Amino acid sequence: AQSVAQPEDQVNVAEGNPLTVKCTYSVSGNPYLFWYVQYPNRGLQFLLKYITGDNLVKGSYGFEAEFNKSQTSFHLKKPSALVSDSALYFCAVRGNKAAGNKLTFGGGTRVLVKP
Amino acid sequence: GAGVSQTPSNKVTEKGKYVELRCDPISGHTALYWYRQSLGQGPEFLIYFQGTGAADDSGLPNDRFFAVRPEGSVSTLKIQRTERGDSAVYLCASSLQAVATDTQYFGPGTRLTVL
Repeated sequence: AQSVAQPEDQVNVAEGNPLTVKCTYSVSGNPYLFWYVQYPNRGLQFLLKYITGDNLVKGSYGFEAEFNKSQTSFHLKKPSALVSDSALYFCAVRGNKAAGNKLTFGGGTRVLVKP
Repeated sequence: GAGVSQTPSNKVTEKGKYVELRCDPISGHTALYWYRQSLGQGPEFLIYFQGTGAADDSGLPNDRFFAVRPEGSVSTLKIQRTERGDSAVYLCASSLQAVATDTQYFGPGTRLTVL
């Protein structure tokens, strides 16, 4: 079975400081990893994904994520956080064909960026 | 272009009633997914369609839940004899194809409240 862990329920950061949201995964075969962001009363918005290739993936709104196979991690990062980045962030994984095409999500991490 | 749309945005019903939730995917997307998000949790997979057929319904919690996609576009999630525990946000997503590398794009969700 595939699973995702987001160890932090909430991350607080001052505006302009670096932001990191942690994610670790467990999956059979090669992982396909995704980050989504959810604003209040809105659906999930896609940020970025790792399929193969370069371990550093760049996505929307200045976000990037680093895939680390040995640590089974896919942490989301942003060099300089904005107040508008305050939202709920979800990491998700898809595994091998046997697992199907469903996404398995972590529990989410709430990011609060303070001015 | 237009994203995934879901109607209604909110649905309040009484215990024991029948409800239908509608999803209109992105035009041209062949795969359609339903997820359920309970308060404070990440989305959980319910079912996905490739074309008109349900390719994986392993996430449906019981036989009160059923979904259809008769023409390979719009989908309806149907819940019979609703229970208070069914209260959640029901999210729909679509992707170009049903392959693990394709990004799933989510709609805004339907918030179902069962009184």
